[in-house]
Amino acid sequence: QVQLQESGPGLVKPSGTLSLTCAVSGGSISSSNWWSWVRQPPGKGLEWIGEIYHSGSTNYNPSLKSRVTISVDKSKNQFSLKLSSVTAADTAVYYCASSGIAFDIWGQGTMVTVSS
Amino acid sequence: QSALTQPASVSGSPGQSITISCTGTSSDVGGYNYVSWYQQHPGKAPKLMIYEVSNRPSGVPDRFSGSKSGNTASLTISGLQAEDEADYYCSSYTSSSTVVFGGGTKLTVL
Repeated sequence: QVQLQESGPGLVKPSGTLSLTCAVSGGSISSSNWWSWVRQPPGKGLEWIGEIYHSGSTNYNPSLKSRVTISVDKSKNQFSLKLSSVTAADTAVYYCASSGIAFDIWGQGTMVTVSS
Repeated sequence: QSALTQPASVSGSPGQSITISCTGTSSDVGGYNYVSWYQQHPGKAPKLMIYEVSNRPSGVPDRFSGSKSGNTASLTISGLQAEDEADYYCSSYTSSSTVVFGGGTKLTVL
């Protein structure tokens, strides 16, 4: 059973870069799945950030594309998110998810606050 | 890309049926059979309830069903139970090879 676990700083300064990692256990990141990041601001809905395939192919939300980079590290069986030039509007719970059939497996989520 | 449109809230009594709609465009909901539905309880990660419009993952009760007509997808929950009270989100693949979510619907079991 594949499990996902997000990790990274819980506090990022405005104009800085948010960096998170999602560790994949119980399966290989080189499976046929895409691997995604989804965020949820406090009290608001879900927003898809982007996805990556183990080959390195990516798709991003057009509204975030200029600031987002998603990468994969097959040797560590993990994938990562970098979001640059963050503002308070980027404060959210960030989830990583597996897109086997839709988003069928989710991490528990990690809260990231943008504040000085 | 614009978020899919869902009602902000729906409610029903135990045992009743409710339907949540999810309206998009021909570039997302109407163009592909890749509509999914997620249930989210407070403080928890979303859970996949329906994929590819009408398919249920293993372990999801058959009280949950999905359908689609044109640019609108629907989630129906029959025989409402107290534990069904949660937020529900739809999502769709889009013509731009991206994914878009609905704004979410809060289900209250009276």
